[in-house]
Amino acid sequence: AQKITQTQPGMFVQEKEAVTLDCTYDTSDQSYGLFWYKQPSSGEMIFLIYQGSYDEQNATEGRYSLNFQKARKSANLVISASQLGDSAMYFCAMRERLYGNKLVFGAGTILRVKS
Amino acid sequence: DVKVTQSSRYLVKRTGEKVFLECVQDMDHENMFWYRQDPGLGLRLIYFSYDVKMKEKGDIPEGYSVSREKKERFSLILESASTNQTSMYLCATLGQINTDTQYFGPGTRLTVL
Repeated sequence: AQKITQTQPGMFVQEKEAVTLDCTYDTSDQSYGLFWYKQPSSGEMIFLIYQGSYDEQNATEGRYSLNFQKARKSANLVISASQLGDSAMYFCAMRERLYGNKLVFGAGTILRVKS
Repeated sequence: DVKVTQSSRYLVKRTGEKVFLECVQDMDHENMFWYRQDPGLGLRLIYFSYDVKMKEKGDIPEGYSVSREKKERFSLILESASTNQTSMYLCATLGQINTDTQYFGPGTRLTVL
C-alpha cells in the first residue's frame, strides 16, 4: 500500500485565491512527522511546513497551513492568497519513528497559478 | 544556512559507463540521503548513511552503490550505467533533532544514452 497518497496530479488556482493540496498517509506508528516541500521548475526542493503527530495545533508558516486530521490520516496543505510564484510541484512526505530518519514521498501535485 | 552542493547539474553518460555523483554538505549533519525522482513516482530513496562509513539500502538500491569516507561527502556510484537510470538525482542531509527537515541539494539530471 502507498504510504503517502497525493490524488491530484495537477491543480489550477486563480491568483489571490486559496488552494488546498491533498495528502493522505498510512502508518501504524504513533510517532511520525509530516512535511510539505515545494519544487519549482529550477529543481531545488524547498521545505515549507512540518506537522508532528503529537502536535495538537495545525502548523502554519506564513501563507502555508497544514490541515491535519489525524483520525482521517490526512495532512492537506492550504496555500492562501496564491501568487504566480507558487506555481511548482508540491510533495507531501512522512517520517516514521519506527523507520528512523527516512522520508517517504508522495507522487506530487503540480500547481499552476493563473493570472 | 545549510548548504548542500552536488557536483553537476546536468550529466550525460553512455550505457556501461561508471558514474559518480558527489554530494557535499557544510552543516556537519550525520545523516545523508540519495533519492531519484521520476515523473509520477515522486522521490524514491536509493541509499542513506547515518555516519561515516555507514550505509543503509533504501527502497531501490539495485544498480547503485554509495561511499561515505568523510562526514561532509556522500557519493552515489552507478557501476555500469543503464538507460533506465536516466533520472533526476537528489541528495539530502538531516540533523538530529526530531523535527528537522531534510535539506536538499540542487539535483543532478542524469541522462544515460
